[in-house]
Amino acid sequence: EIVLTQSPGTLSLSPGERATLSCRASQSVTSIYLGWYQQKPGQAPRLLIYGASNRASGIPDRFSGSGSGTDFTLTISRLEPEDFAVYYCQQYNSSWTFGQGTKVEIK
Amino acid sequence: EVQLVESGGDLVQSGGSLRLSCAASGFTFSTQWMHWVRQAPGKGLVWVSRIAPGGTTTWYADSVKGRFTISRDDAKNTFYLQMNSLRHEDTAVYYCAKEHPTPKIRVLENWGQGTLVTISS
Repeated sequence: EIVLTQSPGTLSLSPGERATLSCRASQSVTSIYLGWYQQKPGQAPRLLIYGASNRASGIPDRFSGSGSGTDFTLTISRLEPEDFAVYYCQQYNSSWTFGQGTKVEIK
Repeated sequence: EVQLVESGGDLVQSGGSLRLSCAASGFTFSTQWMHWVRQAPGKGLVWVSRIAPGGTTTWYADSVKGRFTISRDDAKNTFYLQMNSLRHEDTAVYYCAKEHPTPKIRVLENWGQGTLVTISS
């Protein structure tokens, strides 16, 4: 089973700042199988990015994904108040696994 | 608009059984791969199970294999998770989700609001 490790655990930033979230896989992941999700308290997750770098429908262009192999990144170019949440990466390789999450909190 | 509505969550004793349902609307249910994902209180997301169109092919996480069964009723636009031999560690919010319709894009595009399953010792 591929293990995804996200870093940092918590990111403390101010609105307007840039957020860079990392997701590292224990084995190489096929890029089309890599996704990112946002989850706010008491809500279901929301798909942000699929195929490592493609924004899902309705997702603002301040969200971008990149990476390949074992290292993937989610970048939020300028944090809006509604972006403070927990973010998860997810991969598929005969099974689905999620990272443990990165919390983006207001500094 | 895609809608997924879970039901069936409850407080159950350890060793007991429960069946969760997910009612789908807003898309052609019979052609889509569907999933269950769970989240223990204060913890991260854990994938549980997947079912293919037609229901003949299913996948399970090792932690639930042999105890949980996923199924679907395309006439009712609903799929299910039958959970047997429940353990305290099965306590979680259970989300149903629809897989992205593009072949090989194995992400979860739409999610329900979740239903809480609590297992008492």
